[in-house]
Amino acid sequence: ETGVTQTPRHLVMGMTNKKSLKCEQHLGHNAMYWYKQSAKKPLELMFVYNFKEQTENNSVPSRFSPECPNSSHLFLHLHTLQPEDSALYLCASSQEGDPSYNEQFFGPGTRLTVL
Amino acid sequence: GESVGLHLPTLSVQEGDNSIINCAYSNSASDYFIWYKQESGKGPQFIIDIRSNMDKRQGQRVTVLLNKTVKHLSLQIAATQPGDSAVYFCAENIRDTGRRALTFGSGTRLQVQP
Repeated sequence: ETGVTQTPRHLVMGMTNKKSLKCEQHLGHNAMYWYKQSAKKPLELMFVYNFKEQTENNSVPSRFSPECPNSSHLFLHLHTLQPEDSALYLCASSQEGDPSYNEQFFGPGTRLTVL
Repeated sequence: GESVGLHLPTLSVQEGDNSIINCAYSNSASDYFIWYKQESGKGPQFIIDIRSNMDKRQGQRVTVLLNKTVKHLSLQIAATQPGDSAVYFCAENIRDTGRRALTFGSGTRLQVQP
């Protein structure tokens, strides 16, 4: 276990549904990330939160809406998705501000299927 | 968790042999590199990292080599075991920009034959 949990592990939704993905890190880190891993592309960064503030939005469509209520929790709200949004959504955390280079710890991911 | 459907280069080795997985990066300003391992049904797992002021770093059964001249990174796994079968990703970062996120390569699938 990496100390980063994600729920649900699998999600099937229709294009008109609204759902949310949840990520929780138990490592005391101050930065959290959403990545998308699809069948035809490498891991793609979606959002970065540092001290609960969004510091990066990698040109993600507005049908994906992140929320970071505190440094331990990260959500990804999904609305009106398209079938091409089907992918594995990975959450990661790291400790920023440390002078050393710290790696990111990943959760197991949520396998999302949009019908 | 595997990149199902993605046409990944595949390295097939016999159990006990050494494995070498290669990665080319494009940004000469990158100064931090990580190798991740992703097993089926799991998220990427940190293996080893290296800073740009080094050209070699060793861990337990793994060695990472960095050649900044040709922008090439390699991961060497000694005495490969069936449990090493996974997809391996290299990732890079440019710390001075303040950008926290990593840029990942497309990955290499390692298959260990018993």
